[in-house]
Amino acid sequence: GQQLNQSPQSMFIQEGEDVSMNCTSSSIFNTWLWYKQEPGEGPVLLIALYKAGELTSNGRLTAQFGITRKDSFLNISASIPSDVGIYFCAGREYGTSGTYKYIFGTGTRLKVLA
Amino acid sequence: DVKVTQSSRYLVKRTGEKVFLECVQDMDHENMFWYRQDPGLGLRLIYFSYDVKMKEKGDIPEGYSVSREKKERFSLILESASTNQTSMYLCASRTLYNEQFFGPGTRLTVL
Repeated sequence: GQQLNQSPQSMFIQEGEDVSMNCTSSSIFNTWLWYKQEPGEGPVLLIALYKAGELTSNGRLTAQFGITRKDSFLNISASIPSDVGIYFCAGREYGTSGTYKYIFGTGTRLKVLA
Repeated sequence: DVKVTQSSRYLVKRTGEKVFLECVQDMDHENMFWYRQDPGLGLRLIYFSYDVKMKEKGDIPEGYSVSREKKERFSLILESASTNQTSMYLCASRTLYNEQFFGPGTRLTVL
């Protein structure tokens, strides 16, 4: 199946730094979701975006739906040790029979050094 | 809060056994999904269901089947488990607003 390009693949940052990651696609999407996954756990939904240009925040997290509809960005401000994990994007595409499915990014592994 | 639960967090089975993975959601969602997650391969869709008794194949349905007899419950079945089905299995359900919520996952090991 298709996967979205997500970058960077991994990041090592100092506590207190800001983090930026992005997701790009060759297809146009109508919805973007951002998830965080910790080891041995399922992904947890952080932010949902529904229209081009939309900027949505959830605490220290801010995500944007790109104007072209082919990309999305996630920023984390003032990182803390518990931000450690893998961050995934997901874009919604149309499938057959009027149904649709999400395509997932390859993930950005974030490590925060205290 | 949406809650998606999976019957087991860890499961160890032998090759050839029939394996049932159960998923339950408590928010009356119509759409439910089963994925597997493997290092380097990301999340891959196995099957999904958009209503009771309805199912549709995802990207990697071979070796799996599903059952959706009740709206809140979506089961993944491995008819004859094989070692290449060792993986993390994730169930998800989706709201009308297209937010997709995952369960905690089942780590299955097939010996």
